[in-house]
Amino acid sequence: AQSVTQPDIHITVSEGASLELRCNYSYGATPYLFWYVQSPGQGLQLLLKYFSGDTLVQGIKGFEAEFKRSQSSFNLRKPSVHWSDAAEYFCAVGDWGGGNKLTFGTGTQLKVEL
Amino acid sequence: DAGVIQSPRHEVTEMGQEVTLRCKPISGHDYLFWYRQTMMRGLELLIYFNNNVPIDDSGMPEDRFSAKMPNASFSTLKIQPSEPRDSAVYFCASSLAGGTYEQYFGPGTRLTVT
Repeated sequence: AQSVTQPDIHITVSEGASLELRCNYSYGATPYLFWYVQSPGQGLQLLLKYFSGDTLVQGIKGFEAEFKRSQSSFNLRKPSVHWSDAAEYFCAVGDWGGGNKLTFGTGTQLKVEL
Repeated sequence: DAGVIQSPRHEVTEMGQEVTLRCKPISGHDYLFWYRQTMMRGLELLIYFNNNVPIDDSGMPEDRFSAKMPNASFSTLKIQPSEPRDSAVYFCASSLAGGTYEQYFGPGTRLTVT
């Protein structure tokens, strides 16, 4: 079965600094990959997705992610973090069993220091 | 589109009472998912529907939990009787068949059982 690993439970960065959140997946074929963000008290919002083509995908709020098949990774990046980016970030992969199911990672909590 | 709509946003009830959570998916979406989120267990898939039919309810924790989707515009998740350990945030999400699996989440219902 597919799985998603987000090795960092918590990350703290200074406002204006660059950000990279790690995501590794296990999947037998070309995966559908997603990053979601959850602000406090809110639902999950889709940041970006990858399903084919260009391995560098752009998302909302200035985020981007790069799919690296050789490393089974889909890391999320942002060149300059804003205080409003403080939230929890979830990586997800489409379930090979179909049904539009997603397998989510355990999330990375991002704290931004002013 | 208004997005996925959930009601109520907050529910406080006493142990033993029946609780009904409601969800309206995005119009035209074929899949509907119910999740539960807690600090201890993270985001758990409870059940999902395709074209109003339950496909996989293996995540439903106990017989006290039931879910229905009487039509394409409405779903309910019921807990009867409720227990304090059911306290969590419950999310509904919907997705379009034939797409790339992305799910769109509602704002959630925060349930507190005292």
